[in-house]
Amino acid sequence: GQNIDQPTEMTATEGAIVQINCTYQTSGFNGLFWYQQHAGEAPTFLSYNVLDGLEEKGRFSSFLSRSKGYSYLLLKELQMKDSASYLCASMDSNYQLIWGAGTKLIIKP
Amino acid sequence: ETGVTQTPRHLVMGMTNKKSLKCEQHLGHNAMYWYKQSAKKPLELMFVYSLEERVENNSVPSRFSPECPNSSHLFLHLHTLQPEDSALYLCASSQEAGTGGEKLFFGSGTQLSVL
Repeated sequence: GQNIDQPTEMTATEGAIVQINCTYQTSGFNGLFWYQQHAGEAPTFLSYNVLDGLEEKGRFSSFLSRSKGYSYLLLKELQMKDSASYLCASMDSNYQLIWGAGTKLIIKP
Repeated sequence: ETGVTQTPRHLVMGMTNKKSLKCEQHLGHNAMYWYKQSAKKPLELMFVYSLEERVENNSVPSRFSPECPNSSHLFLHLHTLQPEDSALYLCASSQEAGTGGEKLFFGSGTQLSVL
């Protein structure tokens, strides 16, 4: 079956760095997405990785290892506004998105 | 008006009611989606429309009926729902459907409670 695993909840301190991991098992692979969702709001696109390696976008970076079926989202210089849920999704060979249940990130002062 | 707009934001309905959820996108996209989001569960894809044609129906009960009159509007008609249908219903759009790398633009959702 197809499956995405990510931690349910993480806590980090303002100004620190946090890494949110995601492992995936899908039938074929056409890329890995990360979305951010603040409580009561729409999920918004953060990143898309289809090749191995690290993609950096300001304070946020996303990493992919296709051989390991593994990705992570790295958030640096954490701010209170980064408190949100982070959704990992893998696109399978039929271009269907397989979603994880999301990681709720709590930032403490 | 920008992005993807959903109305209403909140809806409470009885099991015998009929209601409709509305979604409108102002992005010029060709594909629109309905997703169900339950607490602590992955997003569940319900329906996909591409150029107003339904291309995906993921074994959704018939009490949910989608309608896509044009590429900018999407409706979800609800009737005789069950309490377990209570969830956040998200609409999304993308430039195309069924291609790699297409990012989704989501609306803020309708929080549905079925009593």
